[in-house]
Formats: sequence, structure tokens, C-alpha cells
Amino acid sequence: DVKVTQSSRYLVKRTGEKVFLECVQDMDHENMFWYRQDPGLGLRLIYFSYDVKMKEKGDIPEGYSVSREKKERFSLILESASTNQTSMYLCASSLSGVRNTIYFGEGSWLTVV
Amino acid sequence: SQKIEQNSEALNIQEGKTATLTCNYTNYSPAYLQWYRQDPGRGPVFLLLIRENEKEKRKERLKVTFDTTLKQSLFHITASQPADSATYLCALDTFGTYKYIFGTGTRLKVLA
Repeated sequence: DVKVTQSSRYLVKRTGEKVFLECVQDMDHENMFWYRQDPGLGLRLIYFSYDVKMKEKGDIPEGYSVSREKKERFSLILESASTNQTSMYLCASSLSGVRNTIYFGEGSWLTVV
Repeated sequence: SQKIEQNSEALNIQEGKTATLTCNYTNYSPAYLQWYRQDPGRGPVFLLLIRENEKEKRKERLKVTFDTTLKQSLFHITASQPADSATYLCALDTFGTYKYIFGTGTRLKVLA
């Protein structure tokens, strides 16, 4: 089975801190994604990567950056955390191609105080 | 702009009945549509994918239809069980990219 592992399940950070969310997938998938999920807004794409060192902005990239140095690992970085970034963050991966299933991690609940 | 609508109100049905969830979209012509299940506090899990040239897809007690004229997909769970209680999300591909757009989901509660 495909496994997408997010390093932290629950985090509490202070405003202004730099935050790293790590994600690892074990199925050699080309595509990796970071979403955030908020009540009433659904899943919104922050960044997408289709290959090592390649990235594309999603719908809400402001305040975030990403890093993909290895195929299996995709990191989300909040350069200076703010309270409006309190949310559930979901990492996902898929094979290349539009028709492929997206596999999600369990999510990281981030609270910024 | 692209828009996906799922009924934001929770759907409550009796055990054994068929649950029908709706996904409507506008300003868009997806080639693929997927349905996911999400339990509270967990990540979504893939259920079914249907292509634009497929009218219907089945998997065990699940059935998905895709009407590109109405711009609508229906998701059915037959002989529903309390274990089917969850939020169900639809997702559409953005043609030519790898980005899927997700709906906000419909919460289903199956009453015993």
C-alpha cells in the first residue's frame, strides 16, 4: 500500500516562527502536493511538485514555500507563521498523469498562537 | 472562475437506504472526476475515478455517474451502513495540468 507520512500530527507555534512540515512517500511517485483544509473552504492547493527541485504555485502560495530535494520528500515551509495559517495541512502524492489517484497523508494540525 | 458545489448540509439517512450525494460544477469541462472519503481528523481516501466518456462506474456498493451535459456527478451508496458515515469529497482535474480542484464535501450520517 502507498504510504504518505507527515512528520508531525499536531504542532503549536508562535507568530513569527519559521515552521517546517515534512512529508515522505514510499511509492516513487513523481507528483507531490501540499493542501490546507479549512471548514467551509475545503481543500486548497498551496504548492505542487512534479519532479525533484521542480515546483508550481497552487491557489494560495502566499506565505509559504516548498522544497523537494529528493523524490520521496516534500517539505512545506512557513517563513514567518501567522495566526491565519492555523489550519490542517495535508500532503499528498500521485503518479504522473491526470488520471491517477491522489494519496493523502493523515494531516498535520498547525496552531499558530 | 471554476466552481465545484457539494451540498454543505449534512445528509442523514436510515441504515439500509441508498445515499445519494451530488457534485455540481460550473465554468469547467473536466476529463476526470474522483470521489474521496474523509473521516474526521484524517486525510481523504480515494474511492472511485470516472472519465468524461463514462456514464457510470461501480465498485461494490458504490456507484458514480458523470453527466457532462448537466455538469454533475452523483455518488450513490446502496444498502448504507453506519460505518459509511463520513465526509465525501468530489475532485475534478484541471485539464492539461496535474492539479485537481476539490469540493468542500458533504457529510453523510447513516443512522442505525
